[in-house]
Amino acid sequence: AQSVTQLDSQVPVFEEAPVELRCNYSSSVSVYLFWYVQYPNQGLQLLLKYLSGSTLVKGINGFEAEFNKSQTSFHLRKPSVHISDTAEYFCAVSPYSSASKIIFGSGTRLSIRP
Amino acid sequence: SAVISQKPSRDICQRGTSLTIQCQVDSQVTMMFWYRQQPGQSLTLIATANQGSEATYESGFVIDKFPISRPNLTFSTLTVSNMSPEDSSIYLCSVNFGRGYEQYFGPGTRLTVT
Repeated sequence: AQSVTQLDSQVPVFEEAPVELRCNYSSSVSVYLFWYVQYPNQGLQLLLKYLSGSTLVKGINGFEAEFNKSQTSFHLRKPSVHISDTAEYFCAVSPYSSASKIIFGSGTRLSIRP
Repeated sequence: SAVISQKPSRDICQRGTSLTIQCQVDSQVTMMFWYRQQPGQSLTLIATANQGSEATYESGFVIDKFPISRPNLTFSTLTVSNMSPEDSSIYLCSVNFGRGYEQYFGPGTRLTVT
């Protein structure tokens, strides 16, 4: 079985400051890793994904994440946030063996202060 | 990628009634899914909609409460039956093109049961 833990339910930061949203996962099998963003009153949009290869993954809107296998982590970072980044961010994993299963973390609400 | 539309976008329903939510995709997809997102929470998979056969339900969800149809590779419906206020949630449709690929989400249907 797989599980995803997002360590922070809310992260307030000032505009133009850097941010890191933490994600740890547990799985007995190899997994693909994803970060999704949900803007207010909208569906989910993929930010980035890790399938294989380089452990540093770059996504849309200036976000990047680093896969750390030994620490089973996939933290999301952005060097300088904008007001428009205010949203809910979900970390998710999908086991290699199943295309259908995607397990979501509980989400982190990122709020940007001017 | 895929463009997914859902109808209705939102609805307010009385307890004891049923609502059918439609999900339309702009291309043929192998796998379609239905999720529930309760207020302030993460996504929970309700079921996988299988084309030409009965849906596969996750633990805690049953066909009598959430009947699903999938008549072809681009369309599915989810019915929320005999609704109660606890069914007030956002219901999201998603699709997947295969193992290792991300899921694409529709904009969601915001349901309020009074």
